[in-house]
Amino acid sequence: NAGVTQTPKFQVLKTGQSMTLQCAQDMNHEYMSWYRQDPGMGLRLIHYSVGAGITDQGEVPNGYNVSRSTTEDFPLRLLSAAPSQTSVYFCASSWQRDTYEQYFGPGTRLTVT
Amino acid sequence: AQSVTQPDIHITVSEGASLELRCNYSYGATPYLFWYVQSPGQGLQLLLKYFSGDTLVQGIKGFEAEFKRSQSSFNLRKPSVHWSDAAEYFCAVGDTGGFKTIFGAGTRLFVKA
Repeated sequence: NAGVTQTPKFQVLKTGQSMTLQCAQDMNHEYMSWYRQDPGMGLRLIHYSVGAGITDQGEVPNGYNVSRSTTEDFPLRLLSAAPSQTSVYFCASSWQRDTYEQYFGPGTRLTVT
Repeated sequence: AQSVTQPDIHITVSEGASLELRCNYSYGATPYLFWYVQSPGQGLQLLLKYFSGDTLVQGIKGFEAEFKRSQSSFNLRKPSVHWSDAAEYFCAVGDTGGFKTIFGAGTRLFVKA
């Protein structure tokens, strides 16, 4: 199993540009989530999904969209990038929604200039 | 609302010395508690978790943590630190009524020879 994969590893955007961060898992996990990691702030939940077709907002959802058309994929879209979205983004998944033992991808480092 | 506090931003210990990383949480009910480790440039990996039962839990890589309800704490310990333990450590609490995990800001561990 590849586990949780994320692409790209690095990305530089200009303010106002849009892009999609890809996340895929091959463990048939129900639950998937997106976090951003900023220095001194730990990980903050952006959006999460408890299954295909079901998504919900986390702690910091503004400026981000998600969809979950399949169990495997959970892309994160930045509609109009802002410098405040410069961060490291992690995707995670877990087998059962009530265990919370999450498996993390390697992260995407995004810089918005 | 639930929250997690890791009072130490960074800690330096000598190789072979013992380690204790502090974590305090705020949550109304019995929480799900976790410790994750993040090596430089990597995603997070679960070290151990507490859901119920024995308050002393064993994890991977020789780590253990003790849940103390009276102190709202879940401190991570290791009797003898190795240079490879240098990393950032995150304490987290799972919302048993929902699907969200709240992370602390992290403690960076430095190991000196």
